[in-house]
Order: sequence, then C-alpha cells, then structure tokens
Amino acid sequence: AQSVTQLDSQVPVFEEAPVELRCNYSSSVSVYLFWYVQYPNQGLQLLLKYLSGSTLVKGINGFEAEFNKSQTSFHLRKPSVHISDTAEYFCAVSDRTGGFKTIFGAGTRLFVKA
Amino acid sequence: DAGVIQSPRHEVTEMGQEVTLRCKPISGHNSLFWYRQTMMRGLELLIYFNNNVPIDDSGMPEDRFSAKMPNASFSTLKIQPSEPRDSAVYFCASSVQGAYYEQYFGPGTRLTVT
Repeated sequence: AQSVTQLDSQVPVFEEAPVELRCNYSSSVSVYLFWYVQYPNQGLQLLLKYLSGSTLVKGINGFEAEFNKSQTSFHLRKPSVHISDTAEYFCAVSDRTGGFKTIFGAGTRLFVKA
Repeated sequence: DAGVIQSPRHEVTEMGQEVTLRCKPISGHNSLFWYRQTMMRGLELLIYFNNNVPIDDSGMPEDRFSAKMPNASFSTLKIQPSEPRDSAVYFCASSVQGAYYEQYFGPGTRLTVT
C-alpha cells in the first residue's frame, strides 16, 4: 500500500534563505509524485509533479523537487524564499494499484520570517 | 474556466440537523473527490467517483455520511444527523481520469456544528 511521510510538521525560515521540505513515500510499483500548496483559507493547488523522465522537476513560484528512487524521496526545495511562500505544503503519491486514489502526507507548515 | 465550485463556503448548524454540501467539478473532468480537513487528522479522503460512479467510500466515517453524483456536473455530500465532531473544512476536487491523477481543488466549505 502507498504511504507518504512528511518529516517536518513546521519549518520556520528567514526571508531569502533556502528551504527544503522533506517527503518520503512507500510504494511497490512505479509512482506519480506531487507537491501541493495550501494558502490560508484556500484549497490546495498543484505546485509540481513527477510522472517520469528527468528526476529534477521544476514547478511554479521557483520551487523544484528531486525524485530519488533509491531513497524513495521527493524533497521540495527553493533557493530563496519570500514572505508570500508562507503556507502549508503537502506531498502526495499515486500509483496504478491505488486506482485514481491519491495519498496525501500530513503537511508541512512553512513559515517565512522577515 | 471557473474552477471547482463549492457551496456554501461557510455553514453553521446545530447538532442533529441535516447538512448538505455541494460541488460542481470542472467541465470535462470525470473524477471527483470529497476530502475532509481538520487540525487533528489532516486531509482525509472520504469518497471518490469515476464517471459518476462511487469507486471507493472507505473513508466515509459512518452511516451518517452519504454522497451522490447524479450527473457529471454536480455532487453532494450529506451529513444526517450532524454532530460537533463533524466540524471541519470539506473540500471537493476533480480531475481528468487518466491524467496522472492531478487534482484541482475547490475553495472548501467550512462546517461548524454547535
């Protein structure tokens, strides 16, 4: 069965500093991986996705993530964060065995300080 | 494109009352998902439909919850009778079946049961 673990529940960081949000998954087959962002009082929106091919995926707002099959990880990174990046970030996984079901992690709250 | 539309955006009701949440998916999307989000339990998948047919309702908490999708452009989630522990934000999401499971979320309905 699929599962997703987000290793940090909260990540405080100063503006313009780099950030990494960690995500590990488990699945017995090939997976599709996603990062979603949720701003306060809004629904989730897709930040980026890995389907196949290049293991480095670039998304919106300067975020990128790297798929590492051997470590079953899909960590999200940004070289320089802004105050406006303060939000909750969810890692998610889907695979063929789960049908069209996507499993979401518990979320990581990114708090960017001035 | 109007995106996924949910109504109402906020609902306050008394324990024991019936609550109906509504969702209009993005036109052309044939998969629809209902989620519940709370601080304690995070984001939980309640039920999802493919081509208006319920595929997996294992996340529905109990018989008080029911969901329908009478056509491709409308779905409801009903709670009868409601209880204070049902207080949460309920999200509807839709996707194109086969499109690598990328989901588009609505803005959510914040339900408060007193």
